[in-house]
Amino acid sequence: DAKTTQPNSMESNEEEPVHLPCNHSTISGTDYIHWYRQLPSQGPEYVIHGLTSNVNNRMASLAIAEDRKSSTLILHRATLRDAAVYYCIRRNAGNMLTFGGGTRLMVKP
Amino acid sequence: EAGVAQSPRYKIIEKRQSVAFWCNPISGHATLYWYQQILGQGPKLLIQFQNNGVVDDSQLPKDRFSAERLKGVDSTLKIQPAKLEDSAVYLCASSLARGLELFFGSGTQLSVL
Repeated sequence: DAKTTQPNSMESNEEEPVHLPCNHSTISGTDYIHWYRQLPSQGPEYVIHGLTSNVNNRMASLAIAEDRKSSTLILHRATLRDAAVYYCIRRNAGNMLTFGGGTRLMVKP
Repeated sequence: EAGVAQSPRYKIIEKRQSVAFWCNPISGHATLYWYQQILGQGPKLLIQFQNNGVVDDSQLPKDRFSAERLKGVDSTLKIQPAKLEDSAVYLCASSLARGLELFFGSGTQLSVL
């Protein structure tokens, strides 16, 4: 059971940055950290993933702690369309994605 | 590019009835997954296929759930007989290969009365 710990919910103001934390203190050296998000009434969608180095893409940035026991997903300017449940997932050697409860992000106008 | 297609979108049945869900993955995607998502929880993996072979079905309740992907493309997930606790959204996902990004369908919402 690939455990990660995330806050149940977070709030943000529109057009402000959002930092979504994730703890994965028992992560192994070969586990990747993946982030997916799920908008209402839709399936999850891929956001970003990384192993050791920080990663950037058009959707977000991923900051990984040096000891890899935690990571932070950064949305640089939250919009109302970013309101979703964000899942932080350890991807194990079997390449399975095991979802936890995620963080429900609410964005206020 | 067409996404992962699932049908039906909604299904309501009575307990002890049978139900089947269908999934058409993105063309060329070798890996296919079925997830169960109970309201308020994250998705739970039921089964993973690589082409037409099963990679992992350790969390599939095999006494009542079955899945197949006979030609390595479309897949069906069946529940027989259904129980009240099977009420959930059943999500299908596919990826080009194991370890790569998953693409999810919109799911089938099952209500068992």
